[in-house]
Amino acid sequence: DAGITQSPRHKVTETGTPVTLRCHQTENHRYMYWYRQDPGHGLRLIHYSYGVKDTDKGEVSDGYSVSRSKTEDFLLTLESATSSQTSVYFCAISERGNQETQYFGPGTRLLVL
Amino acid sequence: QKEVEQNSGPLSVPEGAIASLNCTYSDRGSQSFFWYRQYSGKSPELIMFIYSNGDKEDGRFTAQLNKASQYVSLLIRDSQPSDSATYLCAVRYSSASKIIFGSGTRLSIRP
Repeated sequence: DAGITQSPRHKVTETGTPVTLRCHQTENHRYMYWYRQDPGHGLRLIHYSYGVKDTDKGEVSDGYSVSRSKTEDFLLTLESATSSQTSVYFCAISERGNQETQYFGPGTRLLVL
Repeated sequence: QKEVEQNSGPLSVPEGAIASLNCTYSDRGSQSFFWYRQYSGKSPELIMFIYSNGDKEDGRFTAQLNKASQYVSLLIRDSQPSDSATYLCAVRYSSASKIIFGSGTRLSIRP
């Protein structure tokens, strides 16, 4: 998985609780991304980062926030989890934005009850 | 709304035959095109990328790009049961530093 880890790998939580997912890379890549994957929707971009403290929204950013205080870590926070946020979350990295390809982490399965 | 369209399948192909997967996109300004393979329960892995019109070959895989018709395809020759997976097409649009994924085509290779 190109030196990318995600934690936790599985999580069950209750509606209304905050949840933080972590993506850690050892490749020193500048760009990092958070996607969610749902049946019939493919991968949808939530947020991405183009450097430390530099982030931007993707197509499905409502209800999510991100932070990147170090090159190697990109955190995704569900501020108040809802059942519609039950999904598989993938982190990805790339070297030069989308001039280079993206490499994906193993994913986190989140179930919001 | 920039879109990437794929037939969801399943596409069933006999072992040893050629599997042909297609993808269309909406923005003529698109610059980069990617094919990812995703096994059930796993993360997407890159198979090929293509930037220029024409064909690009890598082993049993050939990516074909036709910008005038706004489609990109992936051919898998000598299909093997291990090729059974979902194939995701992705497109980088010229105006964005991010890529858009199609919803994927599920491919099944039958022995």
